[in-house]
Amino acid sequence: DTEVTQTPKHLVMGMTNKKSLKCEQHMGHRAMYWYKQKAKKPPELMFVYSYEKLSINESVPSRFSPECPNSSLLNLHLHALQPEDSALYLCASSQESTANTEAFFGQGTRLTVV
Amino acid sequence: RKEVEQDPGPFNVPEGATVAFNCTYSNSASQSFFWYRQDCRKEPKLLMSVYSSGNEDGRFTAQLNRASQYISLLIRDSKLSDSATYLCVVNEGTGTYKYIFGTGTRLKVLA
Repeated sequence: DTEVTQTPKHLVMGMTNKKSLKCEQHMGHRAMYWYKQKAKKPPELMFVYSYEKLSINESVPSRFSPECPNSSLLNLHLHALQPEDSALYLCASSQESTANTEAFFGQGTRLTVV
Repeated sequence: RKEVEQDPGPFNVPEGATVAFNCTYSNSASQSFFWYRQDCRKEPKLLMSVYSSGNEDGRFTAQLNRASQYISLLIRDSKLSDSATYLCVVNEGTGTYKYIFGTGTRLKVLA
């Protein structure tokens, strides 16, 4: 199983809503990531979890709150988002390794903030 | 200067052509290098890792030049199905799980 599964695939939310994006992998990977991708742009790193601990936060606004309940799951809690936060949110995972370890990506959640 | 830079294209080439993409990275401590392919409205998928000695996978050849901080991807005998955005990805250092994406190069293979 080389899959990273993200739910939901599409999400429309209002600026006052609270919602969560979910990501799951069963490859035994110990690093998990959230990326944000706007149209015609490359993915931009938001957060990295390593061994269930937050290791990198790329100065992401606090209206995005990540959570790693266990080694297979990664959530992204959303609250009071702005329309400019509309984007494709990608989850990825990778093994712990020192070299040439690729990241596997989920299909993404396409988020629209209205 | 962006951390990982690519020519955005688009590259429009006829079927059967050979096309080359380049990528430069700014962090000399970078350890791992990859080419990913992303189709429209889909997730990035690994095309190939890039090794110091260069490596080939069928019609695809990747090269790494650490001294010049430069990575390349060569596609021979282009197929219509090769049309996609090609993303150069750099992992910055041992134990640092930070995959940085280049700006991407769009390829369109024409019949």
